Amino acid sequence: GAVVSQHPSWVICKSGTSVKIECRSLDFQATTMFWYRQFPKQSLMLMATSNEGSKATYEQGVEKDKFLINHASLTLSTLTVTSAHPEDSSFYICSARPWRESYNEQFFGPGTRLTVL
Amino acid sequence: AQSVTQPDIHITVSEGASLELRCNYSYGATPYLFWYVQSPGQGLQLLLKYFSGDTLVQGIKGFEAEFKRSQSSFNLRKPSVHWSDAAEYFCAVGPYSGGGADGLTFGKGTHLIIQP
Repeated sequence: GAVVSQHPSWVICKSGTSVKIECRSLDFQATTMFWYRQFPKQSLMLMATSNEGSKATYEQGVEKDKFLINHASLTLSTLTVTSAHPEDSSFYICSARPWRESYNEQFFGPGTRLTVL
Repeated sequence: AQSVTQPDIHITVSEGASLELRCNYSYGATPYLFWYVQSPGQGLQLLLKYFSGDTLVQGIKGFEAEFKRSQSSFNLRKPSVHWSDAAEYFCAVGPYSGGGADGLTFGKGTHLIIQP
């Protein structure tokens, strides 16, 4: 159990276009999902916390108008990178916290590699 | 603010030798501690976690970690490494309580190289 999927697993796009990444909890409901970003050979940095039915909470320095997050259901959160530029190229990883858990256990997706040309 | 320090960027170990990866954290409350492994191009795999109870935690693939509150450490160990253990290892800390629904804070990672 506790499987999280991401789609697509990799995407290449042209500069100026928008890209949507989906994060799904396959066998549990998640009131909270998290989006992380990982640059090559670096650690994961939390970008935002996504709560079902409400606005996402962004970490300091993350542009909310550039990285649009929607958590429309208990099993799906989406991250849209708007007007992507080469500096947005990165590995984006989501995680989900089961709503029943009283402690902060998160299950991670496999990640999406975004390359902006 | 919480922080995680993994002092070793790279570690090289001979196959069959023992391994210890260091992790120190700074956190103002009861921490929830994790070790993850990431192989090239792959997502994160949870090796083990600690949130209460026995301070020596057993994980998958023969890994264990010991929580030492007095030293604010959560070091990862394995008695005998295999070539397949070569990967990036991340220590992470988060709040015990999910009420705030905070994300995890990760260390910068330790790159493990296995020599034949």
